[in-house]
Amino acid sequence: DTAVSQTPKYLVTQMGNDKSIKCEQNLGHDTMYWYKQDSKKFLKIMFSYNNKELIINETVPNRFSPKSPDKAHLNLHINSLELGDSAVYFCASRSGYGYTFGSGTRLTVV
Amino acid sequence: GQQVMQIPQYQHVQEGEDFTTYCNSSTTLSNIQWYKQRPGGHPVFLIQLVKSGEVKKQKRLTFQFGEAKKNSSLHITATQTTDVGTYFCAGHSGGYQKVTFGIGTKLQVIP
Repeated sequence: DTAVSQTPKYLVTQMGNDKSIKCEQNLGHDTMYWYKQDSKKFLKIMFSYNNKELIINETVPNRFSPKSPDKAHLNLHINSLELGDSAVYFCASRSGYGYTFGSGTRLTVV
Repeated sequence: GQQVMQIPQYQHVQEGEDFTTYCNSSTTLSNIQWYKQRPGGHPVFLIQLVKSGEVKKQKRLTFQFGEAKKNSSLHITATQTTDVGTYFCAGHSGGYQKVTFGIGTKLQVIP
């Protein structure tokens, strides 16, 4: 049983396309996150939802739109993909303790 | 905004040597967490420190939180090849929901 699962694991797409990444957690946590990890391994928070409500919305292009249909799911939709969007995107959930990360989605824009 | 600095960025050690990574925050933290990310993997939670001056141990790993709650360290005694990876600190301050990650220290262990 994977605690935080995200799909797909790899995504290769052309510039200008629209793509979605899905995330689901079975831990019962109220809060979920999207993080972007660039080629230098820096982890940068993008969004956070608490029980379906957006609570953190960092300076992210509005081509990125999160959606949380329920507290167990947090999806990320990206419009008009650009080369600079290539990165690993991690979904995470959190209880009062530490983050539990998904295995990541490696997005490559060509 | 809050900044969390982590040094060194890279460290190569011979197997059996000790290793330490340091984390400094520009603001007082409510707590600090440490994560390990193996090559090609995802960050995995190691520990959370909350109290000023707190020291916690996990086998060969020792975690410290500074008295002023602005700095922290992770020390690994007698490194093994299984310790290879990037170690991140992550500091919480102010609001509960947001954490700032350090840039990470990439550890290479030479057998």
